[in-house]
Amino acid sequence: DGGITQSPKYLFRKEGQNVTLSCEQNLNHDAMYWYRQDPGQGLRLIYYSQIVNDFQKGDIAEGYSVSREKKESFPLTVTSAQKNPTAFYLCASSADRDQETQYFGPGTRLLVL
Amino acid sequence: QKEVEQDPGPLSVPEGAIVSLNCTYSNSAFQYFMWYRQYSRKGPELLMYTYSSGNKEDGRFTAQVDKSSKYISLFIRDSQPSDSATYLCAMSAYQAGTALIFGKGTTLSVSS
Repeated sequence: DGGITQSPKYLFRKEGQNVTLSCEQNLNHDAMYWYRQDPGQGLRLIYYSQIVNDFQKGDIAEGYSVSREKKESFPLTVTSAQKNPTAFYLCASSADRDQETQYFGPGTRLLVL
Repeated sequence: QKEVEQDPGPLSVPEGAIVSLNCTYSNSAFQYFMWYRQYSRKGPELLMYTYSSGNKEDGRFTAQVDKSSKYISLFIRDSQPSDSATYLCAMSAYQAGTALIFGKGTTLSVSS
């Protein structure tokens, strides 16, 4: 049963704390993406990776970091430098040749305590 | 002017109505156009995908692209309460290093 999984479903962050959101896919897709969704803002691209060990900043990368050590995994770290982290975070993937058809995970909702 | 404009709604219709959802865009390089459906607190799911201009039909859903007007539409026939969701348009120029550009989404409510 192929798909994209994200964990946890809900995550709470304390002030000054770094937290990591997990994203795993078993679709054998080369490209993976992280988006942030805020009410009334649509989806905004944080980081994306087209191949293992390579990634690029999106429109709102400040305060976030990523790694792509394995094809299946693309974790996102929300650092303490991100001053407004409360949002719904979505991970997506696409086959290299079909970059425009992205498939999304179920999302992680991050809340600040 | 934003690259992609989409009326956020909300749009409320009775069951069985025909729904028209629209997006306009400014970048003439966009060639790939998608519609995603997102239920509350869930990830978006791909509904329709169209390349360049023209129509594409899939069951009760029809996607239409008019590149000359930079305007895309999604029509839903015989709308059902299960169609109640937020609909996001997305588009891409498919150039190396680019990603999808999303509209903000239109919230649709279909009442029984």
